[in-house]
Amino acid sequence: KQEVTQIPAALSVPEGENLVLNCSFTDSAIYNLQWFRQDPGKGLTSLLLIQSSQREQTSGRLNASLDKSSGRSTLYIAASQPGDSATYLCAVLSGTYKYIFGTGTRLKVLA
Amino acid sequence: ETGVTQTPRHLVMGMTNKKSLKCEQHLGHNAMYWYKQSAKKPLELMFVYNFKEQTENNSVPSRFSPECPNSSHLFLHLHTLQPEDSALYLCASSLSRAEGNEKLFFGSGTQLSVL
Repeated sequence: KQEVTQIPAALSVPEGENLVLNCSFTDSAIYNLQWFRQDPGKGLTSLLLIQSSQREQTSGRLNASLDKSSGRSTLYIAASQPGDSATYLCAVLSGTYKYIFGTGTRLKVLA
Repeated sequence: ETGVTQTPRHLVMGMTNKKSLKCEQHLGHNAMYWYKQSAKKPLELMFVYNFKEQTENNSVPSRFSPECPNSSHLFLHLHTLQPEDSALYLCASSLSRAEGNEKLFFGSGTQLSVL
C-alpha cells in the first residue's frame, strides 16, 4: 500500500532564504509525482508534475527532483518570499491511477 | 482561476438536512473527482468519474451520493450527515484517467460544517 510522508510538517524561514521541502513514498512503482500549493481554506494549485521517467522539473524559482529508486522527491524554492507562504503537498500517482497525497508542509516566510 | 468552479464556498447544515455540492469545469476534461480534506489528514479520494461513468467509489458511506450528468458537471448530494463529515470538499478534474501523466486541477472547495 502506497504511503506518502512529508517532513517537516511546518517550517518558518526568513525572506530570501533558499529552502527544500521533502516528500517520500513507500512504493517506487509510480506513474508521476505532483507538487501542489494550497492557501488557507482554498483548493490546490498544481506547481510541478514529474513523470516517472524524469529526474526533475523547473518552473521559475521552483525546482522539483525525483529519485524513484529511493522513493524521494524534493521541492527546492529559491529566494523565498512572503507570498510563498502556504501549505505544500506532494502526491504520487500509482496503482490503479489513484493519487495518494501527503499531509503537507506548512511554510511561513517571514518578511 | 483554475477553470474548476465549486459552489457553495461554505455550507452549514443540520444532520437531518439534504443539500448538494456543485462542481463545474471549463477545461474540456473528461475525468472528475471528489476529495475530502479533514484537518491533519491527507486528502481522501471519494469518487471518480471518467467520461461520465463512475470508476471509483472509495468505500464512501451512502449518505454521500455523487452525480455526473455530463463531463463538465459533478454533484455531491448530502443527506443525514454526521458531525465528523465536517471538512473541506474538493472537486478536481483531469484530461482523462488513462494516461497517468496529467495534472489535476482543483476547485476552491466547499467548507462544510455539520451541526
